[in-house]
Amino acid sequence: RKEVEQDPGPFNVPEGATVAFNCTYSNSASQSFFWYRQDCRKEPKLLMSVYSSGNEDGRFTAQLNRASQYISLLIRDSKLSDSATYLCVVKTGNQFYFGTGTSLTVIP
Amino acid sequence: DVKVTQSSRYLVKRTGEKVFLECVQDMDHENMFWYRQDPGLGLRLIYFSYDVKMKEKGDIPEGYSVSREKKERFSLILESASTNQTSMYLCASSFPSSAAYEQYFGPGTRLTVT
Repeated sequence: RKEVEQDPGPFNVPEGATVAFNCTYSNSASQSFFWYRQDCRKEPKLLMSVYSSGNEDGRFTAQLNRASQYISLLIRDSKLSDSATYLCVVKTGNQFYFGTGTSLTVIP
Repeated sequence: DVKVTQSSRYLVKRTGEKVFLECVQDMDHENMFWYRQDPGLGLRLIYFSYDVKMKEKGDIPEGYSVSREKKERFSLILESASTNQTSMYLCASSFPSSAAYEQYFGPGTRLTVT
């Protein structure tokens, strides 16, 4: 079983739409959770950390459900510049485990 | 601002050559990592190091070795390059597991083995 699983998409949404990505993880001992964004042919960059209480950064909201071992990312009012691959990342001990990424294209 | 640099953005090598990929970070991070990224497979951990001269195998260490002689530098070595090692190689660094710190990535090295 993979450590982290996420729907690869692709998600093609119109500008202004709301889109949600989901991710599940297998190790209940995992202690930290992140969403990274990766643009085409670039390195992954941190979008936001995910906290148990849920957290928001502008148009982006992240949620963590430890009981279900489930992480989500909600993007409101999508912009063209949000087009990228979004990686769910789970930290267990010293190691980081990556989902394969969900591709988002925002269409004008 | 954290900076992770990698020695080359693009590299073309021949089968059987020994290849060195270098990574340097300037944030005094204890942990450093080497990944490869392939379409449909995501990021896969090759090796990581949690201290100078310390290393741990990741998920796909075969055909690779690493060296960490200084805290800021982590090298990935392909002993005898093969075509199935054509990939994007990403280096990352972070603080140790005691804190919920994220990883910072270098720009990547796109290696082609012919």
